[in-house]
Amino acid sequence: LAKTTQPISMDSYEGQEVNITCSHNNIATNDYITWYQQFPSQGPRFIIQGYKTKVTNEVASLFIPADRKSSTLSLPRVSLSDTAVYYCLVGGQGGGADGLTFGKGTHLIIQP
Amino acid sequence: DTAVSQTPKYLVTQMGNDKSIKCEQNLGHDTMYWYKQDSKKFLKIMFSYNNKELIINETVPNRFSPKSPDKAHLNLHINSLELGDSAVYFCASSPSGQSNYGYTFGSGTRLTVV
Repeated sequence: LAKTTQPISMDSYEGQEVNITCSHNNIATNDYITWYQQFPSQGPRFIIQGYKTKVTNEVASLFIPADRKSSTLSLPRVSLSDTAVYYCLVGGQGGGADGLTFGKGTHLIIQP
Repeated sequence: DTAVSQTPKYLVTQMGNDKSIKCEQNLGHDTMYWYKQDSKKFLKIMFSYNNKELIINETVPNRFSPKSPDKAHLNLHINSLELGDSAVYFCASSPSGQSNYGYTFGSGTRLTVV
């Protein structure tokens, strides 16, 4: 599985757009990029997934450049409730039983 | 209805005891997992079951034994508990054929061994 690198922590303010970048230099051709969010005392929650270019849903956008060696999770107009740990994962369609490999994640802190 | 439910939410016990954590999912998923999150918040997979069959067994002491009576349940039994077993244990499930997304996690069981 491709290894990922992301900042350990980030700070921002309410109403701002937050971009968290993840590096995955060894991403394989069939790998997808997935982001999860984890609040204290809760399990991780799926946010968004993409393979290339841009993906947008009601929560976030995911930008993936052509070489796919990095990706950026974009959270528009964050609020205090977006304070959480965000994990970037890279993996292929391995049949479902491989399990997810989590890195250390990015601890995002939103201030008033 | 909670999609993936774990019980108990908190568990405090003494060293040497045996304890179990239960997990149930009502999503119809074929694959279930146990993850351990330590004090440094590092989340590591322990076991993976697909249709009641063990698929992954990472480097976990054999004091930990998963049991899957049916594909909706995956329980974790821990023998001879040690201080280092203190952590938050998460159960998760996913549909077959999707290794990267579609995972649903439970809210965790915080185990404290004293």
